[in-house]
Amino acid sequence: DVKVTQSSRYLVKRTGEKVFLECVQDMDHENMFWYRQDPGLGLRLIYFSYDVKMKEKGDIPEGYSVSREKKERFSLILESASTNQTSMYLCASSFVRANTIYFGEGSWLTVV
Amino acid sequence: GIQVEQSPPDLILQEGANSTLRCNFSDSVNNLQWFHQNPWGQLINLFYIPSGTKQNGRLSATTVATERYSLLYISSSQTTDSGVYFCAVERDYGGATNKLIFGTGTLLAVQP
Repeated sequence: DVKVTQSSRYLVKRTGEKVFLECVQDMDHENMFWYRQDPGLGLRLIYFSYDVKMKEKGDIPEGYSVSREKKERFSLILESASTNQTSMYLCASSFVRANTIYFGEGSWLTVV
Repeated sequence: GIQVEQSPPDLILQEGANSTLRCNFSDSVNNLQWFHQNPWGQLINLFYIPSGTKQNGRLSATTVATERYSLLYISSSQTTDSGVYFCAVERDYGGATNKLIFGTGTLLAVQP
């Protein structure tokens, strides 16, 4: 089975802190994604990576950055966390042109 | 960008009932997927269906690409079907990356 693992399930951080959300996949997928999910808004794409060190902005990249130094790992970074970044964050991965995308279990981030 | 609308937003069913969920999209797509998010947040891919009809057990899906909508049918619903159902699409621009745009979902509650 494909496994997409997000390092932290629940986090509470203070405003202004630097926050790292880590995601690892074990299927040698080229594509990796970070989404955030908010009530009434569905999932929105933050960043997308199609290869090591390659990234593209999604629909809502402001306030976020990403890092992909190894193929299996994709990190989402909040340089200075703010309360409006309180959300559920979902990592996903897939092969290029594949018809299935696999999600991690999600990370619930609360910024206080 | 492409708009994805799902209806109904909420649905309550008695166990054993059937239901139809709808997804409308505003542009041509080369990728359409249906997902189920369980109450613990895990998103599971149900169907990859940019056109045509597919069935998997009690679930089936139909996409009419020329009319820009997709339907998800759930027959003989069970309490384990509860959760949020998302439709997600990728606009047909000649490529394929799995950069999906999600609808806002249908929240389904199946009561025993």
